[in-house]
Amino acid sequence: KAGVTQTPRYLIKTRGQQVTLSCSPISGHRSVSWYQQTPGQGLQFLFEYFSETQRNKGNFPGRFSGRQFSNSRSEMNVSTLELGDSALYLCASSLGRVMDSPLHFGNGTRLTVT
Amino acid sequence: EDQVTQSPEALRLQEGESSSLNCSYTVSGLRGLFWYRQDPGKGPEFLFTLYSAGEEKEKERLKATLTKKESFLHITAPKPEDSATYLCAVHPEAGGFKTIFGAGTRLFVKA
Repeated sequence: KAGVTQTPRYLIKTRGQQVTLSCSPISGHRSVSWYQQTPGQGLQFLFEYFSETQRNKGNFPGRFSGRQFSNSRSEMNVSTLELGDSALYLCASSLGRVMDSPLHFGNGTRLTVT
Repeated sequence: EDQVTQSPEALRLQEGESSSLNCSYTVSGLRGLFWYRQDPGKGPEFLFTLYSAGEEKEKERLKATLTKKESFLHITAPKPEDSATYLCAVHPEAGGFKTIFGAGTRLFVKA
């Protein structure tokens, strides 16, 4: 069974630009969550989608947005990039029907903002 | 505020030297506590879910336990391949579909 796939693996962007990250969940998983991981803050929750609906959102500015498609694939967008947005962005999928489903992570997209 | 604190931040062991990692949590109500392992350059890998105080789960050299305030990940006779960052996470009752992670413990096992 294929795992969670994130593309691209690495991105270098300039401050002020925007970026779109993609995530394909494990087949059959309808929940997709996004996390930002930095050395100082650890894993910070961005948002979670289930069947194309956002069910929860973390404490990030509106520049961070996401969506989920009917095939459960998800995208995350960051507009007006800032230097502090440099991080590893992780996507995780789960069955999502109950709150305590374990998360299955992809290997992330490493975003560097210069 | 829901919070997860892991200690120590880093732990260096000799191969075969058993030890424990700690995860203390403060949540409004616990739906589940999770342990993950993360290797450099990779996403976290799920290890265990614990639901209620007194519960224990085992996998190879790892055993996770849960009390009302904290969880321990016991590592028995570790090997160099156990070197990784171990993350603890909780799913609070009032948190919706959100998992809160601790900062992790970086484990180094020397041969």
